[in-house]
Amino acid sequence: NAGVTQTPKFQVLKTGQSMTLQCAQDMNHEYMSWYRQDPGMGLRLIHYSVGAGITDQGEVPNGYNVSRSTTEDFPLRLLSAAPSQTSVYFCASSYYDSKETQYFGPGTRLLVL
Amino acid sequence: AQSVAQPEDQVNVAEGNPLTVKCTYSVSGNPYLFWYVQYPNRGLQFLLKYITGDNLVKGSYGFEAEFNKSQTSFHLKKPSALVSDSALYFCAVRDRFSGGYNKLIFGAGTRLAVHP
Repeated sequence: NAGVTQTPKFQVLKTGQSMTLQCAQDMNHEYMSWYRQDPGMGLRLIHYSVGAGITDQGEVPNGYNVSRSTTEDFPLRLLSAAPSQTSVYFCASSYYDSKETQYFGPGTRLLVL
Repeated sequence: AQSVAQPEDQVNVAEGNPLTVKCTYSVSGNPYLFWYVQYPNRGLQFLLKYITGDNLVKGSYGFEAEFNKSQTSFHLKKPSALVSDSALYFCAVRDRFSGGYNKLIFGAGTRLAVHP
């Protein structure tokens, strides 16, 4: 198993540009989520999905869209990038059982100029 | 609302000495607590979790954590630190979110530096 994979590893954007961060998992996990990591703030939940076709907002959803057309993939879209979205983005997945651990991808480092 | 606090931004310890990384929590009901570790330029890796049962939980890489209900703490410990343990450590608590999704609420993280 590859686990949770994310692409790209690093991206530089100009303000106003759009892009999609890719996330895929091969563990047949029902749950997938996107977090952003900022210094001194831990990880904050952006969006999550409890299964294909079902998504919902997390703590900090503004400026981001998601979709879940398959169990494996959960892309995060930035519609119009802003400097405040400079961060490290992590995708995570887990089984439906709430006691299970979450598995994290290696992260995407995004810089918005 | 559920929350965790990691009171130390950084912990310094000499190799071979015991280490403790502190975490306190605030939850309603029974807490589900986790520790994750993040090595440089890597994603978070699961270390251990407390759901129920023994207060001393053993995890990966020789780490353990002690759940203390009266002190609402879940400190991470290791008897003998290694230089390779140097990393960023996150304490987390499970919170039930809308739609039944169980999200993790993370602390701000504690950087552990183990010196030779």
